[in-house]
Amino acid sequence: QQQVKQSPQSLIVQKGGISIINCAYENTAFDYFPWYQQFPGKGPALLIAIRPDVSEKKEGRFTISFNKSAKQFSLHIMDSQPGDSATYFCAASIDKAAGNKLTFGGGTRVLVKP
Amino acid sequence: EAGVAQSPRYKIIEKRQSVAFWCNPISGHATLYWYQQILGQGPKLLIQFQNNGVVDDSQLPKDRFSAERLKGVDSTLKIQPAKLEDSAVYLCASSVSGVNTGELFFGEGSRLTVL
Repeated sequence: QQQVKQSPQSLIVQKGGISIINCAYENTAFDYFPWYQQFPGKGPALLIAIRPDVSEKKEGRFTISFNKSAKQFSLHIMDSQPGDSATYFCAASIDKAAGNKLTFGGGTRVLVKP
Repeated sequence: EAGVAQSPRYKIIEKRQSVAFWCNPISGHATLYWYQQILGQGPKLLIQFQNNGVVDDSQLPKDRFSAERLKGVDSTLKIQPAKLEDSAVYLCASSVSGVNTGELFFGEGSRLTVL
């Protein structure tokens, strides 16, 4: 019930195209859904996040869409650039007083071709 | 502001040997996490500290893994004896306690190869 399933495992997109990554979860207690971006040799870094009371959040070229009834959320990268080539992880957490316990998806490796 | 510091960055050992990883979190962050990231997979939480107390170690293989966070600041993760399947990147992260922003700040990780 703690699992977060992510797809696809990898995708290739042309520069200027749209990258779409999907995640699904089971635990309805999850109340925060961040996306992390990881470059080779680096630790993951927070990209954008959403709460269940919002259906969409946009920051620059990155948009999260959230479907609470379907228990699914997705990341859209608009106008993809070669610098966006990285591994993207969706995650989910339950609000706790002692900080966040994140459950990560399996990751999606995105390659943007120039 | 300095980020999360980890050392060593790389370690190669034989199976059944021991290894220790060190982490220094961002100053003022009360919560510290150790994650294991196997190649091609998402990070998996091993242990979570709040100050120097353990909040969650349910996925820590306690027969071989141990971790401590003395004085509520830096932390050490130890593996003894190591197995081949322990080959992974060990990520340390920290966060401001009590604020559910989903934002964990990760170090660059310690890559372990067990031969």
